[in-house]
Amino acid sequence: QKEVEQNSGPLSVPEGAIASLNCTYSDRGSQSFFWYRQYSGKSPELIMSIYSNGDKEDGRFTAQLNKASQYVSLLIRDSQPSDSATYLCAVPILTGGGNKLTFGTGTQLKVEL
Amino acid sequence: GAGVSQSPSNKVTEKGKDVELRCDPISGHTALYWYRQSLGQGLEFLIYFQGNSAPDKSGLPSDRFSAERTGGSVSTLTIQRTQQEDSAVYLCASSLDEGSPLHFGNGTRLTVT
Repeated sequence: QKEVEQNSGPLSVPEGAIASLNCTYSDRGSQSFFWYRQYSGKSPELIMSIYSNGDKEDGRFTAQLNKASQYVSLLIRDSQPSDSATYLCAVPILTGGGNKLTFGTGTQLKVEL
Repeated sequence: GAGVSQSPSNKVTEKGKDVELRCDPISGHTALYWYRQSLGQGLEFLIYFQGNSAPDKSGLPSDRFSAERTGGSVSTLTIQRTQQEDSAVYLCASSLDEGSPLHFGNGTRLTVT
């Protein structure tokens, strides 16, 4: 099992729809969870952090965390073409050197007009 | 500056030459990561520094790659005897501590001719 796993996509959704991005992780002790957005040719940028079970909303973005299922998701409501990007899930995974922030391979989202 | 600074932004070198890439993390950040990203690919973890602990070098692809972090601040990634397959964007990121989100620099685009 990969330490942080995401579907690579591409995930295509029509403009105005809800995009749902999913991530599972291996370390049951992880306490913080992050979603990054990466546009082509740019560096990843942090868009959401979540630390507690349940939902956290920020504008059109909602992060959902279920620690028992080791599952974190990102919902994007009213998807816009400008949301087209790769979304990366990041989770600290305990290693010999400490808690290393580990990224999934990312899900490519395409929002179509 | 307020963010992670990387230099140079672009580097073109001939095959067989050595290169040094520099990263200035956000002041006070104890964790520093180096990643490599080839065109259209995901983030490839290279090395992780956390405080005074021994670095996690598990991602370095060969002994031609090395990195150091002086005084817990500036880091240098060195690639010896560069090969064409080393061509990629090299990203540096720092975080306040373990479990905190990473902040990325703009990267160094390395081209080996």
